[in-house]
Amino acid sequence: GIQVEQSPPDLILQEGANSTLRCNFSDSVNNLQWFHQNPWGQLINLFYIPSGTKQNGRLSATTVATERYSLLYISSSQTTDSGVYFCASGGGADGLTFGKGTHLIIQP
Amino acid sequence: KAGVTQTPRYLIKTRGQQVTLSCSPISGHRSVSWYQQTPGQGLQFLFEYFSETQRNKGNFPGRFSGRQFSNSRSEMNVSTLELGDSALYLCASSPGGGSYDTQYFGPGTRLTVL
Repeated sequence: GIQVEQSPPDLILQEGANSTLRCNFSDSVNNLQWFHQNPWGQLINLFYIPSGTKQNGRLSATTVATERYSLLYISSSQTTDSGVYFCASGGGADGLTFGKGTHLIIQP
Repeated sequence: KAGVTQTPRYLIKTRGQQVTLSCSPISGHRSVSWYQQTPGQGLQFLFEYFSETQRNKGNFPGRFSGRQFSNSRSEMNVSTLELGDSALYLCASSPGGGSYDTQYFGPGTRLTVL
C-alpha cells in the first residue's frame, strides 16, 4: 500500500508565527486529505486536495501530485491551532493511510 | 446538518469481554469507515461499509467485526478483548465514495481494556 511520511514530527511556535507542514507519499494519489486532531481526539477535515492549492482563512494547502508531496501552511498561528496534523491518502481495500502526524504546539 | 456521532464516548472493559460501538453518520451519507488509533500504531483502517455491505476490510483479526443498518448507522464489535485493543476508535462518514471522498470523523470512542 501507499506510504505517507510527514515532517516535522514536532513543532513548537509562538503565537503569531507561520508554519509549513509537509507530507510525502510513495505513489500517485487522487484523494490527499489534511486533518487536525484536537486535544479531545476528534479529527477535523481541513482540506481534500488531490492537486493544486486551496485556502481556508489562515490555512492553505498545496499538493504537487507529480512530485508526490503536499504542504499545509498555517499563518498567524493561534493557540487553538495546537494539536496534531495528519495527512492521509489511499483508499479501497486499505482505506485511508495516515502519516504519523505533526504535533504542533502554539505558545502564547 | 448534525455531524457524525459515536456512542459511547468512553468505555472500560476487562480482558475476554466483548464490546459494541455505535456510529451514526451525517444525514444522507451512505459510507461509514472505522479506524483504530493507538500511540504505537497510529491510525489504522478497520473496515468500510456501504449500503449495508462491507466494501473493504483492513488487516485486523476476525475478532473485529461490524455491520451497517438500512439507515446507514453502523456498529462495530470486538470479541474476546485483549489489552492491546485499548485505543481510540473513530468512525468516518462520506456521501458514498468511502476513502475516495472527503471523510468526516466523529468524536471517537475511547476503549480501555483492563
